[in-house]
Amino acid sequence: EAGVTQSPTHLIKTRGQQATLRCSPISGHTSVYWYQQALGLGLQFLLWYDEGEERNRGNFPPRFSGRQFPNYSSELNVNALELEDSALYLCASSSGTGQYSNQPQHFGDGTRLSIL
Amino acid sequence: GDSVTQMEGPVTLSEEAFLTINCTYTATGYPSLFWYVQYPGEGLQLLLKATKADDKGSNKGFEATYRKETTSFHLEKGSVQVSDSAVYFCALTSGGSNYKLTFGKGTLLTVNP
Repeated sequence: EAGVTQSPTHLIKTRGQQATLRCSPISGHTSVYWYQQALGLGLQFLLWYDEGEERNRGNFPPRFSGRQFPNYSSELNVNALELEDSALYLCASSSGTGQYSNQPQHFGDGTRLSIL
Repeated sequence: GDSVTQMEGPVTLSEEAFLTINCTYTATGYPSLFWYVQYPGEGLQLLLKATKADDKGSNKGFEATYRKETTSFHLEKGSVQVSDSAVYFCALTSGGSNYKLTFGKGTLLTVNP
C-alpha cells in the first residue's frame, strides 16, 4: 500500500512569493491534515480537510490556505512568503472521522520550504 | 486547551540500555494517545497508540500504557539499539469535532554502540 506522498521534496522561494505544496493521501483515506515543523517551534497544526471541506484550522494567518480535491488529494498554499515560513511542512491522512473515530494519522516525508 | 509535555532531551544511551521517555498530557474529554518517531530527514511514523484508559500500546519492543489517573503515557523499551536513534513525539487527539494532533516538543534519542 502506498503511503502519503508529498511534492515537491524541497522548495526554495524568496520573500513575497507564493508557494504551493501538494499531498496525496493513502488510498481510502478521506481526511488530510497539514502541520508545520519549524525549528524551535515544534509541530503545529495548520489545517484539516475532510470530504472536500475545511473542518478546522490552527492559529495561522489567512495567507495559509488550501483545498481538498474530489480524489482527496490536497494543496497547501502560502501567499506573501515571509522568512519565518521556512519549515518542514508535513501532510497526514486518516480514515474515518465519525464522532468517535480515533484512527491514527499517517504522515508523508514532508516538503522542506526555504525562504531566502 | 490540550497540551502535551514530554521530557526534554537529548537522551543518550548505550546499546541494550533501558529507555523511558516521560509524557504527560492535559486534555478535555477522553483523548487518544500516540507516540510517533521521526528518523533524520524523514516524516513521522506512528510507533504505537492507545485509545482508552489502561490500554497498552506496543510495537517493535516499545510500550506505553494510558494512565488516566496520572494523565501519563510514558514510552519504554527494555533494550535499545543504535537503529532506535531518532526523535520521539508524544501526541494526542481529543476527538469529538477536533481531530488535530497536539504534539509534545519531541525528545532526541541517541544510542551509542
